[in-house]
Amino acid sequence: EDQVTQSPEALRLQEGESSSLNCSYTVSGLRGLFWYRQDPGKGPEFLFTLYSAGEEKEKERLKATLTKKESFLHITAPKPEDSATYLCAVQGDYNQGGKLIFGQGTELSVKP
Amino acid sequence: EPEVTQTPSHQVTQMGQEVILRCVPISNHLYFYWYRQILGQKVEFLVSFYNNEISEKSEIFDDQFSVERPDGSNFTLKIRSTKLEDSAMYFCASSGSKGFGNTIYFGEGSWLTVV
Repeated sequence: EDQVTQSPEALRLQEGESSSLNCSYTVSGLRGLFWYRQDPGKGPEFLFTLYSAGEEKEKERLKATLTKKESFLHITAPKPEDSATYLCAVQGDYNQGGKLIFGQGTELSVKP
Repeated sequence: EPEVTQTPSHQVTQMGQEVILRCVPISNHLYFYWYRQILGQKVEFLVSFYNNEISEKSEIFDDQFSVERPDGSNFTLKIRSTKLEDSAMYFCASSGSKGFGNTIYFGEGSWLTVV
């Protein structure tokens, strides 16, 4: 069964304190691993798609990496506005409909 | 930037009533989805829709649920007889022509409260 597990569930950082969020996954044939940001009461906002092990993508203070079993979202020198829940999701190649399977998210809080 | 729009943003309904949630996907997108998120839980897949038919549906998407693309721009989710456990945030999403691995964009959600 396809599964996505994110850790930690919650992370509190001081402004400028870099850290990483983990996403472990099992899927039959990975087509894509997605990272989203979700603010309270809002929809998931797309950040990155990673397609194959070894791939890396960056956007401002965020950098996503991918191995065959997990993905990391590295946050460098975070600011309070980076506070949100970060969601990881996978899309497997047997899913004709292209559905995403989500993890439970990591709630990030950055204090000034 | 193109976006997925959803209406209503919040709806309160009585148990047993029918509800229709509406979505306008990003124009020229071909794959459409509904997901839901119960408060404090994971985002869960409900249904995917392509070429005017359901591509895949989850166990949650039982006979009480239906989807429709009534015209070239709208995509709707109907819940025929709502239950208390249907209370959740419902997200519409769409993706472009490449399908697998292509970016899936989400709307801001419709918060459904069943009382």
